[in-house]
Amino acid sequence: GNSVTQMEGPVTLSEEAFLTINCTYTATGYPSLFWYVQYPGEGLQLLLKATKADDKGSNKGFEATYRKETTSFHLEKGSVQVSDSAVYFCALKTTNTGNQFYFGTGTSLTVIP
Amino acid sequence: GAVVSQHPSWVICKSGTSVKIECRSLDFQATTMFWYRQFPKQSLMLMATSNEGSKATYEQGVEKDKFLINHASLTLSTLTVTSAHPEDSSFYICSEVKGANTEAFFGQGTRLTVV
Repeated sequence: GNSVTQMEGPVTLSEEAFLTINCTYTATGYPSLFWYVQYPGEGLQLLLKATKADDKGSNKGFEATYRKETTSFHLEKGSVQVSDSAVYFCALKTTNTGNQFYFGTGTSLTVIP
Repeated sequence: GAVVSQHPSWVICKSGTSVKIECRSLDFQATTMFWYRQFPKQSLMLMATSNEGSKATYEQGVEKDKFLINHASLTLSTLTVTSAHPEDSSFYICSEVKGANTEAFFGQGTRLTVV
């Protein structure tokens, strides 16, 4: 079946620290992979995505590379800011499940000044 | 700008009452919309798939008589939590997907608190 396993949090970092949030997946078919971000009190927003192996998604300094060999899509940012404090969700969608998404449990990130 | 509008953003209701949540597609005729529920510190769990003009498809363990979904038009899907109880307190969020290789667009979510 389809599932996403995401690094558990919460994660607390100092401003300008390096961030990695691990995400691995299992999927039938050929998945597209996504990272969504949820700021406090808000809905989910797409952060970045990759639709095929070796693609790199990037946005706002965040990036993630679709690694088929390790079935991973780890999220990274070289220097986090206080405004990056949010919950991050890894998700996948496969061609054989229509438009249904499968989400990881979410990782809460707090960046302190 | 937003492509999915969800209303209300928060609601407090008394136990035993019903609450209706609306999810409106602003720029796309969505034949399918998805309803998720998120408990504190947990991920989004798909509750049901809302299909325009037909019955919704519910995930295992979701009571269809309690969570009534109506998708009467291509731009509006509603979720009604009937006879709400405190354990129904959660964050409910809808989404639409425009095509096979695109991301999901989410509504702002509705924080339901049943007292």
